[in-house]
Amino acid sequence: KAGVTQTPRYLIKTRGQQVTLSCSPISGHRSVSWYQQTPGQGLQFLFEYFSETQRNKGNFPGRFSGRQFSNSRSEMNVSTLELGDSALYLCASVELPLSNEQFFGPGTRLTVL
Amino acid sequence: AQSVTQLGSHVSVSEGALVLLRCNYSSSVPPYLFWYVQYPNQGLQLLLKYTSAATLVKGINGFEAEFKKSETSFHLTKPSAHMSDAAEYFCAVSEISNFGNEKLTFGTGTRLTIIP
Repeated sequence: KAGVTQTPRYLIKTRGQQVTLSCSPISGHRSVSWYQQTPGQGLQFLFEYFSETQRNKGNFPGRFSGRQFSNSRSEMNVSTLELGDSALYLCASVELPLSNEQFFGPGTRLTVL
Repeated sequence: AQSVTQLGSHVSVSEGALVLLRCNYSSSVPPYLFWYVQYPNQGLQLLLKYTSAATLVKGINGFEAEFKKSETSFHLTKPSAHMSDAAEYFCAVSEISNFGNEKLTFGTGTRLTIIP
């Protein structure tokens, strides 16, 4: 099976812009989670989707949003970008309920100038 | 809320020496515990996981970890370090929500350097 894929791999934006990141889970995995990784805050949970429904959300402002499509692909959106949003955004998929192992994609490196 | 503490943000060992990366967790219920490795410019790869079966868990690349409830620890070890082990290692605990999904809470990571 192909692994988790994330597009784009690298992205440069300026403050105030918005950005959309995409994640395709492993075939058959219906749960997708997003994490933000920064040198200062480490790895932090953003949100999780299962069957097109957001079931859990981390402690991030409303500028961070996401959605999941019927084919389990997920997107996350960040509006009104700030310098502090520069990070590696990781997506992970899980074959719930059969397993609790999260498989991570390579991430999207977002730089906000 | 669950939490994870990794002691030592940087660890250096000589090639061939024992690798020991420390992880302590805080949880009010029996946890699921994980160790992930991250190589530069890559995502996270699962090394091993504890899910309340055997307390000594063997993972990939010769790594293993022992769950010690009395010490709330889940330290990662490898008997003999290899140059290819140089990477960042993250300990994580899973938090099961009312919906049964798994939200991972990560430690701050330990960067492992191997000295030739």
